[in-house]
Amino acid sequence: GNSVTQMEGPVTLSEEAFLTINCTYTATGYPSLFWYVQYPGEGLQLLLKATKADDKGSNKGFEATYRKETTSFHLEKGSVQVSDSAVYFCALRDYKLSFGAGTTVTVRA
Amino acid sequence: DAGITQSPRHKVTETGTPVTLRCHQTENHRYMYWYRQDPGHGLRLIHYSYGVKDTDKGEVSDGYSVSRSKTEDFLLTLESATSSQTSVYFCAIAGEDEQFFGPGTRLTVL
Repeated sequence: GNSVTQMEGPVTLSEEAFLTINCTYTATGYPSLFWYVQYPGEGLQLLLKATKADDKGSNKGFEATYRKETTSFHLEKGSVQVSDSAVYFCALRDYKLSFGAGTTVTVRA
Repeated sequence: DAGITQSPRHKVTETGTPVTLRCHQTENHRYMYWYRQDPGHGLRLIHYSYGVKDTDKGEVSDGYSVSRSKTEDFLLTLESATSSQTSVYFCAIAGEDEQFFGPGTRLTVL
């Protein structure tokens, strides 16, 4: 079945550092790929998405490119802020969402 | 924000008691989902619904049942709660290409 593997955390960074969270997937067909973010005490919010190979999703300075050849959808941000501290989930969708385990990111001032 | 509410938001109960969690949407979406979130596991699908009275099991459905008698409401029931069901439960609805999540219910089974 479909599955998602993402980089384990926790990840601790200083402000303005570069962030990468690796995500790889296993799927039949060509699912849509997503990154969700969960801020402390809240539900999940969609951060960005890509629906086909080579698509780049972007939002709030975050980017991820749908790479079919490497079955990857790595999340990147060039300069993180304290407000980016959250748990990040990679997910793929067929009729339902399959999630990675989540990566906790803490950004220190 | 998508119109999804969950109730209760917090609940503490004892082993062996029945518990029902409610998810309510105002978006008229066909698909609704129940997930549980546990450290190290991300979110795992419990049950989902693809219409009124149409439901199916997810990957961790044992010990849970659901009902959907109206489009806007999706109920999750733990018939006899166990400590392993202590978790945070999220309801979600499916839009055109993404899912929108409720605020979550934190359930503690003592």
